[in-house]
Amino acid sequence: EIVLTQSPGTLSLSPGERATLSCRASQSVTSSYLAWYQQKPAQAPRLLIYGASSRATGIPDRFSGSESGTDFTLTISRLEPEDFAVYYCQQYGSSPRTFGQGTKVEIK
Amino acid sequence: QVQLQESGPRLVKPSETLSLTCTVSGGSINGYWWSWIRQSPGKGLEWIGYITHSGNTNYNPTLRSRVTISVDMSKNHFSLSLSSVTAADTAIYYCARSNSGYGQGWFDPWGQGTLVTVSS
Repeated sequence: EIVLTQSPGTLSLSPGERATLSCRASQSVTSSYLAWYQQKPAQAPRLLIYGASSRATGIPDRFSGSESGTDFTLTISRLEPEDFAVYYCQQYGSSPRTFGQGTKVEIK
Repeated sequence: QVQLQESGPRLVKPSETLSLTCTVSGGSINGYWWSWIRQSPGKGLEWIGYITHSGNTNYNPTLRSRVTISVDMSKNHFSLSLSSVTAADTAIYYCARSNSGYGQGWFDPWGQGTLVTVSS
């Protein structure tokens, strides 16, 4: 199975700053089949990005995704107060579908 | 908009079978693939498996011997059965939708999740 390793584990930033989250795959992810989710306490994950770089419906354009080989990046251009949460990547190019372990973005 | 709601016992005894149902409202089961995903502190998010609208299934190999996912089109719901549970199966269980077909395997939307505890 494809193992997704997210870094850093925790990112401490201030509102208005730029957040850069990494997700590294243990092997090639077919056709950029990678998604990003945001999860807040006591809530289910919410889809942000699919296809490595396509924003889901209703997601603000401060969220963007990119890829370079087996490295995927989620960027939040300017952090809003509601963006402090845990973020997960997930690949769906091969079975079983797998998730990264998450990156927590916390207020500095 | 489509909404998903998990239901079922919150407490299951060791060695027994965990059974959950996900009811889909605001849309049809038909035409989509439906997954179960669980989240525990020790293992993070783990995909359990999915069922297609036509009844085909795909399970995570780590759970395949214990998992059954089924669908009831007439009731617009699908179900999870996980047998021989242990404390390691204690988790929040989510149901979620994917678009049908290869390459459409992101999850959106998700149910709110239900905590299932395995304990005697």
